[in-house]
Amino acid sequence: EAEVAQSPRYKITEKSQAVAFWCDPISGHATLYWYRQILGQGPELLVQFQDESVVDDSQLPKDRFSAERLKGVDSTLKIQPAELGDSAMYLCASSPAGRQGRIQETQYFGPGTRLLVL
Amino acid sequence: SQQGEEDPQALSIQEGENATMNCSYKTSINNLQWYRQNSGRGLVHLILIRSNEREKHSGRLRVTLDTSKKSSSLLITASRAADTASYFCATRGFQKLVFGTGTRLLVSP
Repeated sequence: EAEVAQSPRYKITEKSQAVAFWCDPISGHATLYWYRQILGQGPELLVQFQDESVVDDSQLPKDRFSAERLKGVDSTLKIQPAELGDSAMYLCASSPAGRQGRIQETQYFGPGTRLLVL
Repeated sequence: SQQGEEDPQALSIQEGENATMNCSYKTSINNLQWYRQNSGRGLVHLILIRSNEREKHSGRLRVTLDTSKKSSSLLITASRAADTASYFCATRGFQKLVFGTGTRLLVSP
């Protein structure tokens, strides 16, 4: 069964350092999401791509976070510089295009990258 | 920002018992979804109920939706140890999917 791949699974970094996360969605899925999940809370959307275009990055802290999906397939989320408050699980999800171009509702999540900033 | 709030925050039951968790939300929705998250892992989609539906079943899962009260419930019947996980409701309004705070379910053998 196809799965969303993420790497690394765990990352420990010091504050002010740069960190990057990678996501490979399920093949053929047009929509890709990055979420941040703080311990004990639900995921919060950071950025949503439709193919290579950003459709929602309203909650992405753009002074330090950036995301790209250059060829509309895999994606990278970067934080520079990392802060203590960035410690969280970073989840990637994807969903296929629905009929007539509508977004399909079910999202398929990867295993996540757990980030610890010291 | 979290749209939904789950109740209870944590639930501990024995195998074979039923587990009920509730979700309340604030704004109008197109649909409401439930996801499961095993410890330290990604989320798995369980079931979706549209705003014009009142009840839906999938295997041992039963979901209800009351749009007048802006609330939903998830019932897991005949629970198993493997059901131990966190359960999140997520609401779809005009745009993005917004997750609640989750209920942590522990099913003991």
